[in-house]
Amino acid sequence: KQEVTQIPAALSVPEGENLVLNCSFTDSAIYNLQWFRQDPGKGLTSLLLIQSSQREQTSGRLNASLDKSSGRSTLYIAASQPGDSATYLCAVSADRGSTLGRLYFGRGTQLTVWP
Amino acid sequence: ETGVTQSPTHLIKTRGQQVTLRCSSQSGHNTVSWYQQALGQGPQFIFQYYREEENGRGNFPPRFSGLQFPNYSSELNVNALELDDSALYLCASSLITRYEQYFGPGTRLTVT
Repeated sequence: KQEVTQIPAALSVPEGENLVLNCSFTDSAIYNLQWFRQDPGKGLTSLLLIQSSQREQTSGRLNASLDKSSGRSTLYIAASQPGDSATYLCAVSADRGSTLGRLYFGRGTQLTVWP
Repeated sequence: ETGVTQSPTHLIKTRGQQVTLRCSSQSGHNTVSWYQQALGQGPQFIFQYYREEENGRGNFPPRFSGLQFPNYSSELNVNALELDDSALYLCASSLITRYEQYFGPGTRLTVT
C-alpha cells in the first residue's frame, strides 16, 4: 500500500527565505507526482506535476524534483513571500493496482511566511 | 474553458440523514474522482468513475455511492450519515484515468 509522508509538518519563516519541503513515498511504481497548494477551507490548486520519467519541473519561484528510485521529491520555494502561506500537499498517482491514476496524498506541510 | 465546479459549497446535516453532493467536470474530461479530506489530514480516495462506470474504490463503506452522467458530471451520495463523515469533499476530473487531475473548490459537510 502506497504511503506518502511529508516533512516538516509545519514551517514558519521570515519573508525572503528559500525553503525546501520534503515528500517521500513507499512504492516507486508511480505515474506522476503533483504538488498542490491549499488555502484554509479551500480546494486544491495544482502547482507542479512531474511525470515519472522526469527529474524536475519549474514554475516561477517554484522548483520540484523527483527521485523515483529512492521515493523522494522536494519542492523548493525561492524568496518566500507572505502570500506563499498555505498548506502544501504532495500526491503520487498510482501506476498499478485497481485504480490507475488514483492519488495518494501526504498530510501536508503548513507554511507560514511572516513579513 | 470551464473548470471543475462543485455544489453546494457548505452543507449541514444531522446524523442518520442522507446527502448528495454534485460535481461538474472540466470540459472534455471523462474521468472523475472523489476524495474526502478530514480536518488536518490529506485527502483520501473514495472512488473513481470512468465513462459512467465505477473504476475503483478506496476504503469506504457501501453507504458511500456515486454516479457519473453522460455529460460526465457526477454525484456523491452518502447514506446514514455519521459524525465522522464531517469533512471537505473534493471532486477531481481528468482527461483519462492517469492524467493530471484538476480539483474543484470542495463541499464542506458538517454532520451534527
